[in-house]
Amino acid sequence: SQQGEEDPQALSIQEGENATMNCSYKTSINNLQWYRQNSGRGLVHLILIRSNEREKHSGRLRVTLDTSKKSSSLLITASRAADTASYFCATARLGGSNYKLTFGKGTLLTVNP
Amino acid sequence: DAGVTQSPTHLIKTRGQQVTLRCSPKSGHDTVSWYQQALGQGPQFIFQYYEEEERQRGNFPDRFSGHQFPNYSSELNVNALLLGDSALYLCASSLATGQQETQYFGPGTRLLVL
Repeated sequence: SQQGEEDPQALSIQEGENATMNCSYKTSINNLQWYRQNSGRGLVHLILIRSNEREKHSGRLRVTLDTSKKSSSLLITASRAADTASYFCATARLGGSNYKLTFGKGTLLTVNP
Repeated sequence: DAGVTQSPTHLIKTRGQQVTLRCSPKSGHDTVSWYQQALGQGPQFIFQYYEEEERQRGNFPDRFSGHQFPNYSSELNVNALLLGDSALYLCASSLATGQQETQYFGPGTRLLVL
């Protein structure tokens, strides 16, 4: 079963605008990660935020985490056509020596030039 | 530094057949996780291999099995294929030492069952 649920399912914006995607989850986590996927190929890791962190930045990306609400948001600023992709949040829980990722269904972002 | 590689890239099988997918982890990584991604869905965790043993498993039937070799590469085997097994199969590698949190994904193998 999938723990994360992204919102919205699809988002279409113009180049230069900001894009915000939200993710909700159900159980306790060690960290939450965001991935990008282009055209049904492999996933690219974007950013990770630990359960004791509230906000994190990486380039044009900003992630927030609210563990009391079990939710996270990903903000992409000054979007580009190349940002067009599916974005997934994944919650991570430690099992033994390794983490297991549980993904949501994703948000399909389209950035129009 | 080679990333995660998977083979084959595409595969077509018929119902009832068996399939083997292969994954080579990123250099220096010792853990391999397998995910199934149906069309329009997020990846679902199948299982994870570390030290040549299955360490964690998702909600998949016993028809899905795997193996990890001493060089850390891994295979995913699916027996008695069903139409519903058609999906993109993703392999991800990570490093157990220090409980590394980031998993690095390969390009995937797209399986079509007819």
